[in-house]
Amino acid sequence: AIQMTQSPSSLSASVGDTVTITCRASQDVRNDLGWYQHKPGEAPKLLIYAASTLHSGVPSRFSGSGSGTDFTLTISSLRPEDFATYYCLQDDSYPLTFGQGTKVEIK
Amino acid sequence: EVQLVESGGALVQPGGSLRLSCAASGFIFSDHHMDWVRQAPGKGLEWVGRVRKKTYTTETAASVKGRFTISRDDSKNSLYLQMNSLRTEDTAVYYCTRDTSTSTDSAFDIWGLGTMVTVSS
Repeated sequence: AIQMTQSPSSLSASVGDTVTITCRASQDVRNDLGWYQHKPGEAPKLLIYAASTLHSGVPSRFSGSGSGTDFTLTISSLRPEDFATYYCLQDDSYPLTFGQGTKVEIK
Repeated sequence: EVQLVESGGALVQPGGSLRLSCAASGFIFSDHHMDWVRQAPGKGLEWVGRVRKKTYTTETAASVKGRFTISRDDSKNSLYLQMNSLRTEDTAVYYCTRDTSTSTDSAFDIWGLGTMVTVSS
C-alpha cells in the first residue's frame, strides 16, 4: 500500500497567517491527490482534487500544488473557520490511503 | 439537496455482525462510485472500501478484507456495509461518501455525517 506522510502533525497559527502542509507519497501517485478539511462532529469537506484543482465553492485562499510524490496545501490569510484537521488522500491506486492528518490550532 | 445519510450504527459485541446503510438523495446515485471511510476515536481517517458504479465490483482495505462487504442497490439509492466478525479495533464513526466519478478525476465530494459503531463486550 502507498504510505502518505503528512507534516507537520499539528501547528499553531494566528488569524491572517499563511500556513503550509505537506504530504509525501511513498511512490508516484501522479496528480491523484486530494485535500480534505475535517472538523469535530462534522462531515469532512473536499478542498482540492487532482493535486491543484479547487473544488467548487471552496475559498480561493486554499491552494494545492505538487505531483508525483510531493504535495503541498497552502492556506493564505487564515480565517477563524479554517481551524480544523486537514488530510491528504491518494486515489491513484488501491487501497486508497489518507495521510495521518494535520491539526491547525489557534495560537 | 444533495445528501447522504448513514444509519445502523450500534453497540455490538466482538465477533458480532452489523449492517450499515447509507441513503442518498438529490443526485443520480447510479452515476457514482460510492465509498466508506471510518475514523476511530482519536485517530485519523481510514478508507474502508468502494463499490463501483455499473459493474458493482468492490475494493476493500486489507484491515477489513474478508470480514466487511460493500454493496449497493441503485433502485433504492442506497449503499450498504455488511460487517462480520467485528473486532474492538473496528470501533469508529463510519462515513458514506460519494466519488465524483468523472472520466478524468476522482475525489470524495459529498459526505454523510457518519454513524457510530462501538465494538465492546
